[in-house]
Amino acid sequence: DTEVTQTPKHLVMGMTNKKSLKCEQHMGHRAMYWYKQKAKKPPELMFVYSYEKLSINESVPSRFSPECPNSSLLNLHLHALQPEDSALYLCASSQGTGERNEQFFGPGTRLTVL
Amino acid sequence: GNSVTQMEGPVTLSEEAFLTINCTYTATGYPSLFWYVQYPGEGLQLLLKATKADDKGSNKGFEATYRKETTSFHLEKGSVQVSDSAVYFCALNSGGSNYKLTFGKGTLLTVNP
Repeated sequence: DTEVTQTPKHLVMGMTNKKSLKCEQHMGHRAMYWYKQKAKKPPELMFVYSYEKLSINESVPSRFSPECPNSSLLNLHLHALQPEDSALYLCASSQGTGERNEQFFGPGTRLTVL
Repeated sequence: GNSVTQMEGPVTLSEEAFLTINCTYTATGYPSLFWYVQYPGEGLQLLLKATKADDKGSNKGFEATYRKETTSFHLEKGSVQVSDSAVYFCALNSGGSNYKLTFGKGTLLTVNP
């Protein structure tokens, strides 16, 4: 299995809602990532988990809260989002975090905040 | 810091034309280099990679050679197809404590029949 899966595929939420994005991989990868991608832009790194521990938080607002329940799962909890948070949210995983490790991306969750 | 510069396009070609998308980089150490492709409405797929100087990555008819002397990793394909229409991202990973992929801005390729 060489896939990273993400659910849901699309999500529409109001600014007062709480929702969660889910990501799963069964490749035995030990690093997992959340990215945000705006239209016509490259992905921007948000968080990195290495061996289920948060390694990097790229100064992301606290309304985004990541969670890594186990080595295969990664969640992104959303609360009190703003319309400018509307974007494609991509999850990725890699075997490790060294420079030779390519990252495998999921299909993304397209989030719209009303 | 690390940076990747790629031609922004858009690039429009006819089917069976030759494709080159230029990519140059600035990085400390010995980065690995990648090309990712993003088809409309989808996530990123790894197209090819090279991990050291003079390595050639290849996949699906696409090729790129890691040129340390010119700090380049240009993407080429001899004969493009309509199905190659997508956004192509050049990226590098210099490893260490910085786990980040540094991406170029992306190049939109449209191939017309």
